[in-house]
Amino acid sequence: GDSVTQMEGPVTLSEEAFLTINCTYTATGYPSLFWYVQYPGEGLQLLLKATKADDKGSNKGFEATYRKETTSFHLEKGSVQVSDSAVYFCALSDRATGANNLFFGTGTRLTVIP
Amino acid sequence: DAMVIQNPRYQVTQFGKPVTLSCSQTLNHNVMYWYQQKSSQAPKLLFHYYDKDFNNEADTPDNFQSRRPNTSFCFLDIRSPGLGDAAMYLCATSRDVTGGANVLTFGAGSRLTVL
Repeated sequence: GDSVTQMEGPVTLSEEAFLTINCTYTATGYPSLFWYVQYPGEGLQLLLKATKADDKGSNKGFEATYRKETTSFHLEKGSVQVSDSAVYFCALSDRATGANNLFFGTGTRLTVIP
Repeated sequence: DAMVIQNPRYQVTQFGKPVTLSCSQTLNHNVMYWYQQKSSQAPKLLFHYYDKDFNNEADTPDNFQSRRPNTSFCFLDIRSPGLGDAAMYLCATSRDVTGGANVLTFGAGSRLTVL
């Protein structure tokens, strides 16, 4: 079945450090891949997405590239800020199994210290 | 702004006392979802509505029910909350797009505490 495996946290970085959060997936068909972010006390917000192999999603300085050969969708940011502190969820939807669901990873908590 | 609104944001109930959580949307999306998120875990889909069609996940307990009286509103009913039902409940919506990515818009969540 479909699943997402996400780098375990928590991750603590200093401001302006480079961020990588690893995400790999297993899917039956041709999934779309997403990163959602959850700030303290709030719901999930879409950060970026990619719908096919080699697509790069980007938003707010974050990037992730859909790598079919390694079944990965790692999240990166060149210089993190304190305001990036949040929980990050990798997710996929798979049209082969019914696109009306998102499979989430377990989330990675990022804390950025000044 | 078009959005997904959940009420209440915080709900405290007693063991076994029924609870209803509400979700409204101004996006005119045809699909609405309820997720349960326990502390430090991934959100877990309970059920979703595709228009008026109700789709229950196989492992969702019977204790959880849902109603969608119209496009804009959806309710989550927990008939007899147990301590294990304490969680954040997330409502989400999407527009079904054939061949496209299924992007969900989430509400801020309703945090349920069971005493």
